Amino acid sequence: EAEVAQSPRYKITEKSQAVAFWCDPISGHATLYWYRQILGQGPELLVQFQDESVVDDSQLPKDRFSAERLKGVDSTLKIQPAELGDSAMYLCASSSDRGSYGYTFGSGTRLTVV
Amino acid sequence: AQSVTQLDSHVSVSEGTPVLLRCNYSSSYSPSLFWYVQHPNKGLQLLLKYTSAATLVKGINGFEAEFKKSETSFHLTKPSAHMSDAAEYFCVVNNQAGTALIFGKGTTLSVSS
Repeated sequence: EAEVAQSPRYKITEKSQAVAFWCDPISGHATLYWYRQILGQGPELLVQFQDESVVDDSQLPKDRFSAERLKGVDSTLKIQPAELGDSAMYLCASSSDRGSYGYTFGSGTRLTVV
Repeated sequence: AQSVTQLDSHVSVSEGTPVLLRCNYSSSYSPSLFWYVQHPNKGLQLLLKYTSAATLVKGINGFEAEFKKSETSFHLTKPSAHMSDAAEYFCVVNNQAGTALIFGKGTTLSVSS
């Protein structure tokens, strides 16, 4: 079964440092999402791409977070500088269309900021 | 604004007994509703979805949920719990554009032998 690949699986970084996460969606999936899941809470949407274009980044803290999907395939989420409150699981998901019914989630990157 | 409220943060059952995980929703439009499960160190997996067809929805692993508009509820049930059901469960509603998901805070299901 096709999977959404994410790396690294775990990341520990010091506050004020830069950190990046990578996501490779299922082949052919045009829509890609980044969600953040703080411990004990449900995931929250950070950014949504349709091909290489950002569709929704209203919840992305743009002063420190950036996301790109240059060729409309894989994607990178960056945080610079990292803060203690950024410690969370970062989940990537992809979908074959803009509807929300065909999501496939990756296993996530667990970030710890110390 | 659309939202979901999971009424229990933690539910404990014995193996072989019924499971009930409660969810209420709030939406200004006809929502699509989902239940997802998250096992430790694994990705989120879709259990079932309601998209305005039959109000009783059957999912994987014996789970089902009933959409009740009058009660704005979408509770998840299973007749007989198995040890492997122990996980975090999320009730989810789509956003108005139908392009992204809004998650509840989750219910941790514990199953004892």
